[in-house]
Amino acid sequence: DAMVIQNPRYQVTQFGKPVTLSCSQTLNHNVMYWYQQKSSQAPKLLFHYYDKDFNNEADTPDNFQSRRPNTSFCFLDIRSPGLGDAAMYLCATSRDRSNQPQHFGDGTRLSIL
Amino acid sequence: AQTVTQSQPEMSVQEAETVTLSCTYDTSESDYYLFWYKQPPSRQMILVIRQEAYKQQNATENRFSVNFQKAAKSFSLKISDSQLGDAAMYFCATNAGNMLTFGGGTRLMVKP
Repeated sequence: DAMVIQNPRYQVTQFGKPVTLSCSQTLNHNVMYWYQQKSSQAPKLLFHYYDKDFNNEADTPDNFQSRRPNTSFCFLDIRSPGLGDAAMYLCATSRDRSNQPQHFGDGTRLSIL
Repeated sequence: AQTVTQSQPEMSVQEAETVTLSCTYDTSESDYYLFWYKQPPSRQMILVIRQEAYKQQNATENRFSVNFQKAAKSFSLKISDSQLGDAAMYFCATNAGNMLTFGGGTRLMVKP
C-alpha cells in the first residue's frame, strides 16, 4: 500500500545531542511537510518542501533543519535538542499545495533526557 | 492569516448515538477546502471528510457528515451511530492560504 512511513516510532536522545528523524513516502507526492505536535495540541508546521524548494515557517527555530535528497525521503535534523523539543513529529505529504489533502505518517515521538 | 477555532475541548457520546463537533474559521480567501482529521491515541492522523468551499452541498462519508455554513464560516462534523472506534482527537482544518491551519482539536470519548 502507498503510504507515509516514519522511522523510528520512538526516539530518545540526550539534551544537546543531535538527532535525525526520517520520513519516506511511496505516494510520489511533490510536497512533504514536517509538523511538531505537543501533547493535546494541534500540529504546528515547521517547514515544507515543494519538490526541491525548501519553505521555512517564520517562527521555526534555527535549531531545526531539513533535507530532502530525493522525492521519496525527507529528514528532520534537530541540531541541539532542548527539553522543550520533546514532542511528536509528524511527516505529511500532498500532491501539491492547493486543495489536495495531506497524508500523514504515524509520527515519531521524541523524548529528551 | 487563517484561524480555525474548535470551542469544545472534549465531548462524549453514548455508543450508537449521534454527536456534533463544532468548528468555526476565518479567512479572506474565496477558494479553499475544509477538512476534518481524526487522530486516535498514538495512531496516525487520517482524513475523515473534506468540503470544497464553493460547493453548497454538504459532504458526507458513510456515518460522517458536515454542516457547512459558508456565510457564518462554520463547519461542524456530525457522527451518526457512534462506535467505540470513533474515540479520538478530531481536528478541523482549512487549506486557505495553501497551508493547513488546524483548530485546537476536540477529544471525543465514546461510552459503551
